[in-house]
Amino acid sequence: AQRVTQPEKLLSVFKGAPVELKCNYSYSGSPELFWYVQYSRQRLQLLLRHISRESIKGFTADLNKGETSFHLKKPFAQEEDSAMYYCALSTSLGGSEKLVFGKGTKLTVNP
Amino acid sequence: DVKVTQSSRYLVKRTGEKVFLECVQDMDHENMFWYRQDPGLGLRLIYFSYDVKMKEKGDIPEGYSVSREKKERFSLILESASTNQTSMYLCASRTDSSGNTIYFGEGSWLTVV
Repeated sequence: AQRVTQPEKLLSVFKGAPVELKCNYSYSGSPELFWYVQYSRQRLQLLLRHISRESIKGFTADLNKGETSFHLKKPFAQEEDSAMYYCALSTSLGGSEKLVFGKGTKLTVNP
Repeated sequence: DVKVTQSSRYLVKRTGEKVFLECVQDMDHENMFWYRQDPGLGLRLIYFSYDVKMKEKGDIPEGYSVSREKKERFSLILESASTNQTSMYLCASRTDSSGNTIYFGEGSWLTVV
C-alpha cells in the first residue's frame, strides 16, 4: 500500500538554526515525491518536487530510495518559514494519478 | 496563473441537510480532486475525476458523492450532513500529465451543527 509518513507533528526551531522535516514513504513503484506548504491563511502550494532537484526558498530535498526517504532541509531557518508542510507521493489509481499526503508537520521558527 | 476557485469559503449547515461544495478551475485541467483536511490527519482524498462525467473513489468516499458535468467544474455533495463531516474541504486540479503540479483552491470550511 502507498503510504507517506511524517513522524513529527510539530517542529520548533530558532531563527538561523538548521531545520529538517522528515518524510518516509512506502510504494512499490517508482516514486514521485513532492513537498507542499501552507502558510497561515493561504492555500496549499507546491514547494518543490524531487524530479526538479532545485532549491526553493533555500529548501532542498533529496530522494533516498535506499532509505525510502525524502527529507526537507534548510540550513538557516527564517521566521517566514513557519507553516504547515506536507510530503506527498504521486501514485497511479485507475489509470490516473493521485497524490497521497502525509499528515503534515507544523514548523514554527522562533525569533 | 492557474486559478482554482471554491465559491463558498465558510458554511454552517444543520445535521441532515444536503450540502453542495462547488469548485471551478480555469486551466482546462483534466484531473480534479476533493480532499478533506483535518488536524493530525493531513489531507485525505475523498473523490477524484479524470474527465467529464468520470469519477473515482478516493480513500474516504463514504457519505459523499461528486458531480462533474463540465470539465471546469467539480462539485462535492454531502447527501445528509453529519457533525463528523465538519472539516476543511480542499479542491484541486491538475493537467493529465505524469508528475505535473497539483493546484489547490483556498478551501471551504464547513461546520455541521
